[in-house]
This record gives sequence, structure tokens and C-alpha cells, in this order.
Amino acid sequence: NAGVTQTPKFRVLKTGQSMTLLCAQDMNHEYMYWYRQDPGMGLRLIHYSVGEGTTAKGEVPDGYNVSRLKKQNFLLGLESAAPSQTSVYFCASSYPGLAGESGELFFGEGSRLTVL
Amino acid sequence: QKEVEQDPGPLSVPEGAIVSLNCTYSNSAFQYFMWYRQYSRKGPELLMYTYSSGNKEDGRFTAQVDKSSKYISLFIRDSQPSDSATYLCAMRGPGGTSYGKLTFGQGTILTVHP
Repeated sequence: NAGVTQTPKFRVLKTGQSMTLLCAQDMNHEYMYWYRQDPGMGLRLIHYSVGEGTTAKGEVPDGYNVSRLKKQNFLLGLESAAPSQTSVYFCASSYPGLAGESGELFFGEGSRLTVL
Repeated sequence: QKEVEQDPGPLSVPEGAIVSLNCTYSNSAFQYFMWYRQYSRKGPELLMYTYSSGNKEDGRFTAQVDKSSKYISLFIRDSQPSDSATYLCAMRGPGGTSYGKLTFGQGTILTVHP
């Protein structure tokens, strides 16, 4: 059981380049999320999805786009990368409804992005 | 001011010590409180979950929530080197689609040395 898988794990970009981070989960979770983790800032929610075909903005959505074309996949796109987007990106998924009441998120291992 | 404040440490203790980790928060709508543990270069994993005020114990770990003071704590008894990790507090408001929309603290780096 792989859980939540993120690709790529590492990437270096130049300012202005674009890229897509892929997240895949095999737990049949309805909800999926993208967080970024920066020193001194903790984890901050970028975008999230409550089901296939839906997306919504989180706390820090600017400069990112997302898509949820399939239930098991959640893509995070950077159209024109900036040095401020250098971060570790975590994808997570969770159960909906009462089963998810604990707030337990199942995280991937992270994708380290450096923008030069 | 951040909604959730957590002392980033780092905190270094000898094996067997009692560790106290704390977070304060400002949003009175928070009702669900969690502690996540994150090992180096890994994703966070849920350690403890508490609803509203009170205590919850799980083995060597105890979570406390004091909503009147907007203060939560995690205690680790008989700490072990394997407890060395970053500990993140997290919290959220009531129900619906906010289930996974957590607000995290900055994380406290803990090292337990033999």
C-alpha cells in the first residue's frame, strides 16, 4: 500500500520556468490538499479539493494552479516560477465526513523545489 | 500575528527526560487539536488528536487542551532517541469541508540524546 506518492521528489527551476507536481493516492480518499513548508512558517495550505473535478483556494494560492481530473490524482502547477516559491511541497489526503473528524491527513514524503 | 504560535526550539534533552511542547492560538473557533510528528525528510504523521478541552493519553504521550487559555500541550514521558523529530501542532474549526484545512504551528525540533 503506497499511500500518498509525490513526483518528482527534487527539482531545480530557473525563474520564469513552469512545472507540475503530481500527487497520487491509493486510499480512495475524497479530499486532497497541497501544503508548502517553509522554515519558521510551518505548513500552509495552498489549494485543496473535496472531490473529483473540484478545487478551492487555501491560505497561499497565488502563483499556483491545481487540477483534480481523477479522484486519485491532484496536480499542482507553477506557471512562472519565482524564487519565493522555493519550498518543500507536501500533498495530503483525508477521509470526508465523520471519518475524517480527527483531522488526520495522510502526507506524502514531499517535493523539494528550488527556484534560482 | 500568526493564528498559531509554537516555539521552534530547537529543544535538546537527555534520554528518559519529560518533554513539554506547547502552542498558543488566537482563533476561538478552533475546536479540534492535533499533534503531528515529522521525521527528517519525511511527511508529517498524526500523533495525537483531541476534541475541545481536556486531556488525552496514549502510551508515553499526553495531549492537553485548555480552550479558556487558548493553549495546548504535548508531554512525552521517558523520552527516547527515536522521539527525535519535529513536532507540529495543528488545529481546525468545526465540521464540513474544513476537516482537512488545518492551521499549523511552526514546529518544534526535538533531539533526544542517549
